[in-house]
Order: sequence, then C-alpha cells, then structure tokens
Amino acid sequence: DAGVTQSPTHLIKTRGQHVTLRCSPISGHKSVSWYQQVLGQGPQFIFQYYEKEERGRGNFPDRFSARQFPNYSSELNVNALLLGDSALYLCASSLNFDRGGELFFGEGSRLTVL
Amino acid sequence: AQSVTQPDIHITVSEGASLELRCNYSYGATPYLFWYVQSPGQGLQLLLKYFSGDTLVQGIKGFEAEFKRSQSSFNLRKPSVHWSDAAEYFCAVGAPGAGSYQLTFGKGTKLSVIP
Repeated sequence: DAGVTQSPTHLIKTRGQHVTLRCSPISGHKSVSWYQQVLGQGPQFIFQYYEKEERGRGNFPDRFSARQFPNYSSELNVNALLLGDSALYLCASSLNFDRGGELFFGEGSRLTVL
Repeated sequence: AQSVTQPDIHITVSEGASLELRCNYSYGATPYLFWYVQSPGQGLQLLLKYFSGDTLVQGIKGFEAEFKRSQSSFNLRKPSVHWSDAAEYFCAVGAPGAGSYQLTFGKGTKLSVIP
C-alpha cells in the first residue's frame, strides 16, 4: 500500500506570494495533520483535520489555513509568505483523531521563500 | 501542555559502539511516547512507540527504549551502532483527548557515526 504522499516535493516562492501544499493519506486513514519543521528544529503542529472538519490548530497565524476533502486528502495554504515560512512541511495521517496512536508521515514539501 | 527535552544536540559514536539518546518529557498523565528518525531531506520514520504495558519497548533496526515514569524519561538505546544509523532522532509525546490529537516533538539529536 502507498504511504502518505505529498506534493510538490520542493518549491521556491517569493515574499508575499501564496502557496498550496497537498497531501494524500494512507488508504483508510481519516485524519490528516500538518507540521512545520524549520531547519534545525523538531516538527511543530499546525493543523489536524478529521472527516473534513478542523479538530486542532497550533500556534500559527491566520495566514495558514487548510482543508480536507471527501476523499480525505488535504491541502495546506499559506498566504502572504514571509521569509520565516521557509521550512519542511510534513503531512501525517492516522486512523483516528482523538484516541491517540501512531502518525504516519510523508516525506514533506520543502518550501523556500526568497 | 506537554513538552519534550532532548538534552543532546549532537552525538558522535564509533561504529559498533553502544548508543543512548536521552529524552525527557513533561505531561500530567501517562503519555504516548515515540521515537522517530529522519535522514537528511527525508520525512520521519517511526522507530518505536510506547502506549502502555511493558516499559521496555522494542523497535525497528535494533533500537529499544525504556519508559521510566519516575524520571519522566524515554531514552533510546542501541547496543551496536551501524554507519547507516547516522541521522537525526526525534522524541515525541502525544496526548489524546480534548477533541484533537497532536504530537509535541523535541528539537532532535543529530547522530554522527565514525567508521
């Protein structure tokens, strides 16, 4: 079975632009989470979605938004990009949203903001 | 809120030597604990997890970790390191409930292996 897939793998944007990152979870997984990993740091939680509803949000500005589609895939959108948004964006899927368990991570989308 | 501390930013060991990576967590109840490994430019791969039960857990690639509640620790060990183990290692704590589920990661420990 395919794991978590993310696209694009790499992209370069300039300040002020908008970016959309995409994620397809493991088949059967209904929860998708997004994490930001700045160089030299551990991943930081951005969002969790389950059954198309936002279930959790980390300490990120409103420039960050996401959604989940009926097939459980997800998009992360970032508006008005700042240099500090340069990071590896990781998507993770899991079977449920609240009872804990293992998160399965994709290989990430590396965003560079110039 | 939960937190994770990995005191060692960078560790260098010789191939064949034993390894212990430290992890301390802060959480009010029994947490879910994880160790992930990340190779350069890659995503995260789960090495092992602790949810409940036996406090010594075995993982992939010969790794093990021991949950010590009294010390709030979940240290990762391997008896004999291979050159391919060079990577960055992240400890994470998960706290279910409250309508969502998220992992809190430490800042990571970079492992270098000397041939």
